[in-house]
Amino acid sequence: NAGVMQNPRHLVRRRGQEARLRCSPMKGHSHVYWYRQLPEEGLKFMVYLQKENIIDESGMPKERFSAEFPKEGPSILRIQQVVRGDSAAYFCASSLTTGTSTDTQYFGPGTRLTVL
Amino acid sequence: GESVGLHLPTLSVQEGDNSIINCAYSNSASDYFIWYKQESGKGPQFIIDIRSNMDKRQGQRVTVLLNKTVKHLSLQIAATQPGDSAVYFCAENRNTGGFKTIFGAGTRLFVKA
Repeated sequence: NAGVMQNPRHLVRRRGQEARLRCSPMKGHSHVYWYRQLPEEGLKFMVYLQKENIIDESGMPKERFSAEFPKEGPSILRIQQVVRGDSAAYFCASSLTTGTSTDTQYFGPGTRLTVL
Repeated sequence: GESVGLHLPTLSVQEGDNSIINCAYSNSASDYFIWYKQESGKGPQFIIDIRSNMDKRQGQRVTVLLNKTVKHLSLQIAATQPGDSAVYFCAENRNTGGFKTIFGAGTRLFVKA
């Protein structure tokens, strides 16, 4: 009965490289959410996806960031040409039902990205 | 702008005492609120939720109170234990075509033995 899984747990990249963060939702969950958290701050919504569809990407930076949730396989948050300001913890959450307001989101352990 | 915020950034309580963590929200259209607990190095963990048609909900040692008149949410933890030490976030779900969860800044709870 695995929960939300994220890998890698820690990722170090140099400026200009690409970062790929993976998220496997809980079994049976078809809704995935990505959040970003800076130290001592709350989580900031980035994007909400269902299988093969982006539902709400209003929190995603316009450039360098993209997300996908393919029919098969994990959801991927991709950051191109990383900069130091991208250093943060990135959390994925998943939910079960049809995207109603009362869906409970279950969070993964996060990926801590450090950009050197 | 619209936000979910917290009154106190840190709270220190004695083991065995009750804890109260407060939260203010500004979007009167939000209809679902959640409290999460985040321990160091981990993802947020669901604690308890409440719909806007309720004003109180109880769980195991936790109670959430919702006052829609003043847009205030609180989390009460009874008989606080060292394992309760963590950062607590209130969050609201807003209908944006999907349902975006907006988190507050968090309150760090310290439990003194």
